[in-house]
Amino acid sequence: GAGVSQSPRYKVAKRGQDVALRCDPISGHVSLFWYQQALGQGPEFLTYFQNEAQLDKSGLPSDRFFAERPEGSVSTLKIQRTQQEDSAVYLCASSFTSGGSYNEQFFGPGTRLTVL
Amino acid sequence: AQSVTQLGSHVSVSEGALVLLRCNYSSSVPPYLFWYVQYPNQGLQLLLKYTSAATLVKGINGFEAEFKKSETSFHLTKPSAHMSDAAEYFCAVSPNTGGFKTIFGAGTRLFVKA
Repeated sequence: GAGVSQSPRYKVAKRGQDVALRCDPISGHVSLFWYQQALGQGPEFLTYFQNEAQLDKSGLPSDRFFAERPEGSVSTLKIQRTQQEDSAVYLCASSFTSGGSYNEQFFGPGTRLTVL
Repeated sequence: AQSVTQLGSHVSVSEGALVLLRCNYSSSVPPYLFWYVQYPNQGLQLLLKYTSAATLVKGINGFEAEFKKSETSFHLTKPSAHMSDAAEYFCAVSPNTGGFKTIFGAGTRLFVKA
């Protein structure tokens, strides 16, 4: 079956532009995570959704970052007024069940954002 | 707060040699622990996980890891390296007391020499 997909795979933005990154989780997966992975680093947690509810957004680095999952499936991560420090790979992951943090997360290939 | 430390950003082994990737965690209670592998231009893939059952966990592709509470470690091993094992490996920890945040280590890149 289809895995987690993300689009676009690559995005180049000029500083100050707004960007929107899309994540299509595995069908039926309740949990959805967004991570930011800087070059040479491990993924850093941004936010977590359980269906359409955003239960944890403690990792969002500033109020320029906004995520939504209005119908409990597709999710969008929006970054307003992009800055050079936002350049990173943005990973989306989904998990079948909710609640248990022991569940395997299935990762998409990521969107590489470059801010010039 | 939980944290993960992976010792060695790069590890190089010869094909057929033992693979040992080190991971130490910090947590007030034994957490859930994971190893993920990332191949170039691909998403992370779960190798194995520890969820408070058996302390020796076997994963895919011949990898295994042992949870040692006294050492707060969860090192990843494979008896015989294969060229296809060359990738980036991430150790991760998540709470077993509620919460959803998974913390990843910085990663260890494994090189396998012919």
